Amino acid sequence: QQQVKQSPQSLIVQKGGISIINCAYENTAFDYFPWYQQFPGKGPALLIAIRPDVSEKKEGRFTISFNKSAKQFSLHIMDSQPGDSATYFCAAPSKGSTLGRLYFGRGTQLTVWP
Amino acid sequence: DTAVSQTPKYLVTQMGNDKSIKCEQNLGHDTMYWYKQDSKKFLKIMFSYNNKELIINETVPNRFSPKSPDKAHLNLHINSLELGDSAVYFCASSRKGRTGTYEQYFGPGTRLTVT
Repeated sequence: QQQVKQSPQSLIVQKGGISIINCAYENTAFDYFPWYQQFPGKGPALLIAIRPDVSEKKEGRFTISFNKSAKQFSLHIMDSQPGDSATYFCAAPSKGSTLGRLYFGRGTQLTVWP
Repeated sequence: DTAVSQTPKYLVTQMGNDKSIKCEQNLGHDTMYWYKQDSKKFLKIMFSYNNKELIINETVPNRFSPKSPDKAHLNLHINSLELGDSAVYFCASSRKGRTGTYEQYFGPGTRLTVT
């Protein structure tokens, strides 16, 4: 059973545009929703994370929006740049006492054209 | 100031061989993980250790055996390698953040190619 569903699988945006990636969660814990960014040949790196007590978190050009009733959260990249081209993963923590376990979405390959 | 390191970065070997991947973290974290990333980029957790104790053991062939000699190290040994084992293997570690949540930090990965 897939706990985190991510879409789209791939996304092409022009430089300066807005990139939007969506995730839906189910049967997960409800305390922390991170996004990871992975460049080719590198490991995933924590980009930004949100706790569900807020509906939005912004860090520079990156914003997470959280919709508790719909069990969805999304990543918005404003003024997208070619350097943002990477694979993005959303994640949600597991229920129970499994320390720090995350369920990852299947990733979104973002390409930003100059 | 490397945080999570893995060796080797690339590993090319033949079917049937046995190989090991090593991971070390200098972040002082208590929990470490092994993930497998396939060609479609899907990140699948394999194992997790907390203070040298195995806490997650996903449905992984028993040809894969993790070992944690201390909480800063987590190694992965693979016996009788198969073609389907070809993937990128990531080590990660985590700590409980200020907000009570666990933040995972990944290593650079080991690309395993089985021929």
